[in-house]
Amino acid sequence: DAGVIQSPRHEVTEMGQEVTLRCKPISGHDYLFWYRQTMMRGLELLIYFNNNVPIDDSGMPEDRFSAKMPNASFSTLKIQPSEPRDSAVYFCASSPTGYNEKLFFGSGTQLSVL
Amino acid sequence: AQSVAQPEDQVNVAEGNPLTVKCTYSVSGNPYLFWYVQYPNRGLQFLLKYITGDNLVKGSYGFEAEFNKSQTSFHLKKPSALVSDSALYFCAVRDLNFGNEKLTFGTGTRLTIIP
Repeated sequence: DAGVIQSPRHEVTEMGQEVTLRCKPISGHDYLFWYRQTMMRGLELLIYFNNNVPIDDSGMPEDRFSAKMPNASFSTLKIQPSEPRDSAVYFCASSPTGYNEKLFFGSGTQLSVL
Repeated sequence: AQSVAQPEDQVNVAEGNPLTVKCTYSVSGNPYLFWYVQYPNRGLQFLLKYITGDNLVKGSYGFEAEFNKSQTSFHLKKPSALVSDSALYFCAVRDLNFGNEKLTFGTGTRLTIIP
């Protein structure tokens, strides 16, 4: 298995533009998580899905952020409009089941909003 | 609510010496505890976990961690450090009684092994 695949690896955009980050989880994994990593706040959970259904989105910073999982093999995180403070590394992770299973992380998307 | 603290932002250790990276946690119920490592420009990789059983947990790359319930700690250890161990280390916790699959991470500790 190729692991969790995220695209793009790097994204540079201007303030106000729409940004879409993509994630392909490991086949057979029921859980998908979106995290954001910054120097100031560390690693923050934004949202997670179980069997394509959003379970907890309390970490989504504001309405400008949205996430979807239309099927078991694909998820998107969208920011519209983007702001400079959204600059961060965004990680997608998947897990076979919940609770005591380890997460498998993608390589992340480095987002820079100018 | 669940939380985890890594009191040291940076730890420097000479190659060949033992290393310890500290972690303390707070949960309302029983904890599931994890350590992850992050190399530059990479995602986090799982090192080890404690769910139940022996307090000393062994993981990847010769790392181990000791669960101490009375001190609410889960320190990461290795008997002899390698230069290749230099990376960012994250402790994480899930609260078994919290009823969801949220994994809360610490702020990370940068480990530098000095040749």
